[in-house]
Amino acid sequence: GDSVTQMEGPVTLSEEAFLTINCTYTATGYPSLFWYVQYPGEGLQLLLKATKADDKGSNKGFEATYRKETTSFHLEKGSVQVSDSAVYFCALGAVSGYSTLTFGKGTMLLVSP
Amino acid sequence: DAGVTQSPTHLIKTRGQQVTLRCSPKSGHDTVSWYQQALGQGPQFIFQYYEEEERQRGNFPDRFSGHQFPNYSSELNVNALLLGDSALYLCASRHRDRSSYNEQFFGPGTRLTVL
Repeated sequence: GDSVTQMEGPVTLSEEAFLTINCTYTATGYPSLFWYVQYPGEGLQLLLKATKADDKGSNKGFEATYRKETTSFHLEKGSVQVSDSAVYFCALGAVSGYSTLTFGKGTMLLVSP
Repeated sequence: DAGVTQSPTHLIKTRGQQVTLRCSPKSGHDTVSWYQQALGQGPQFIFQYYEEEERQRGNFPDRFSGHQFPNYSSELNVNALLLGDSALYLCASRHRDRSSYNEQFFGPGTRLTVL
């Protein structure tokens, strides 16, 4: 079945450092790929998405490129802020069926001043 | 425009009891999905409702059931609660416009604690 693997956290960075959170997936066909963010005590918010190979999703300085050849969708940001501290989830959208999502376990990011 | 809303925010039950969680989707959304997020884990798909019917189901036992109403709101029912059912339950809705493929909007969740 479909699955998503993320790097384990927590990832601890200083403000303005470069961020990479690795995500790889296994799926039949060509799913849509997503990054969701969860702030403490809140639900999930869609951060960015890519619906086909080589697409780059971007939002709020975060970027991720859909790499079919390496089945990856790594999240990057050039300069993190304290307010970016949260849990980040990589997810894929079902190719068949009706828009269900398969999530990774999440990666906690902690940014210190 | 209100987002996806869920009630209650928190709930404490004991083993063997039954619980009902509620979700109201965003305006213009007609598909509702439910997810279970255990502590330190990613959300897991429970089931999805569309046109008042369960359209797809994840790997959850029959103790988990649901309903969708004509106004698109939804309920999640869990019978015979187990300690392992303690989790954050998330509701997500999707717009009736199918051009936004797979984009789902999540509510804040209901935190269920089973003692």
